[in-house]
Amino acid sequence: QKEVEQDPGPLSVPEGAIVSLNCTYSNSAFQYFMWYRQYSRKGPELLMYTYSSGNKEDGRFTAQVDKSSKYISLFIRDSQPSDSATYLCAMRASGSARQLTFGSGTQLTVLP
Amino acid sequence: DAGVTQSPTHLIKTRGQQVTLRCSPKSGHDTVSWYQQALGQGPQFIFQYYEEEERQRGNFPDRFSGHQFPNYSSELNVNALLLGDSALYLCASSYLGTSGDNEQFFGPGTRLTVL
Repeated sequence: QKEVEQDPGPLSVPEGAIVSLNCTYSNSAFQYFMWYRQYSRKGPELLMYTYSSGNKEDGRFTAQVDKSSKYISLFIRDSQPSDSATYLCAMRASGSARQLTFGSGTQLTVLP
Repeated sequence: DAGVTQSPTHLIKTRGQQVTLRCSPKSGHDTVSWYQQALGQGPQFIFQYYEEEERQRGNFPDRFSGHQFPNYSSELNVNALLLGDSALYLCASSYLGTSGDNEQFFGPGTRLTVL
């Protein structure tokens, strides 16, 4: 079983829709949670990170963490065709462990 | 301000050869991490360098080695290449400050093909 599970999709939505992307994890040591966006043949781009349960909002993006359920989500409001990309969740334990553990990514297409 | 840069962009090698990939971190960053991303998968952590030392290593064999220079740039070396080493190799830089390694910024990657 992978430490981080992410629905690979693909996910296709019409422009303007609300998108929900999710990851579950099994390692209780994970304390920091990130979302990256990766366009085709490019490196991942950091969208948001959070370390506490609850919601964090940044423009059209909202990251949600539920540590009790080991479940994180990214919501995209008013989705745009330019949001079409692969979305990767990543997480890290606290302390000296520095590596990021990624999900396998969800491929999103926003149709105009 | 240049972000993380990597060279070369693409590389084709044959089995058994050796390869060196290079990374320059974002200005102000002192820590470099390397990741391997196979097609359709998330990045897998290889190792991290800080103060010119390997600080942590993922589950990769000793064929994978690295180096960090005094200017914080880094190299990833892979010996005795296997077909399974074909992947996108990503470098990420960060600053070991208050955010620790939560804000790791990635370069565009080097796509390695092993024939």
